[in-house]
Amino acid sequence: AQSVTQPDIHITVSEGASLELRCNYSYGATPYLFWYVQSPGQGLQLLLKYFSGDTLVQGIKGFEAEFKRSQSSFNLRKPSVHWSDAAEYFCAVVPYSSASKIIFGSGTRLSIRP
Amino acid sequence: DTAVSQTPKYLVTQMGNDKSIKCEQNLGHDTMYWYKQDSKKFLKIMFSYNNKELIINETVPNRFSPKSPDKAHLNLHINSLELGDSAVYFCASSNLTSISYNSPLHFGNGTRLTVT
Repeated sequence: AQSVTQPDIHITVSEGASLELRCNYSYGATPYLFWYVQSPGQGLQLLLKYFSGDTLVQGIKGFEAEFKRSQSSFNLRKPSVHWSDAAEYFCAVVPYSSASKIIFGSGTRLSIRP
Repeated sequence: DTAVSQTPKYLVTQMGNDKSIKCEQNLGHDTMYWYKQDSKKFLKIMFSYNNKELIINETVPNRFSPKSPDKAHLNLHINSLELGDSAVYFCASSNLTSISYNSPLHFGNGTRLTVT
């Protein structure tokens, strides 16, 4: 079945440490890929997106993501996290053949240790 | 500011009541959506409208009725509210009918509905 998996429910990292949030998808062809961030009490904000081209994508707030076709992954990274990065992060996929249906992962909650 | 704005931010009401949530976007987008986020943060599409026309209507109880007076507005009316309707409801928009790399979703800040 088509799906988006974020295997980590909750991650805690120290301020200044690096971060990687995992996202795997299972679709036949490369879908449109997105990462969104949801701060407490806020809506979802688009961090970055990918469809084709350079597999390393730069986004806002210092985030980047790397697409790996062989692993069906689109992991989100940040070299040095700030306390303000504490939020819920959602990976999302739009299958190329079904472009009205965006499928969200279950989210990863990021906590920052002072 | 250009944005998707929805009101109210919080809505507390009793079972059986009827309530509405309003959404407006000034991004010039053609398509608007309602999503429901449950207590486990799971996001699910409810409806989408393109230029006032309903294009997605997921399996949602008939008590939920969207209304789009124009392409910049999409309201959600809920009749006979039930405890299970408690959730955060997000309005969103995209500039094209299809969500894609060039037409990602833009979200409002959500309406937290609590039914007691």
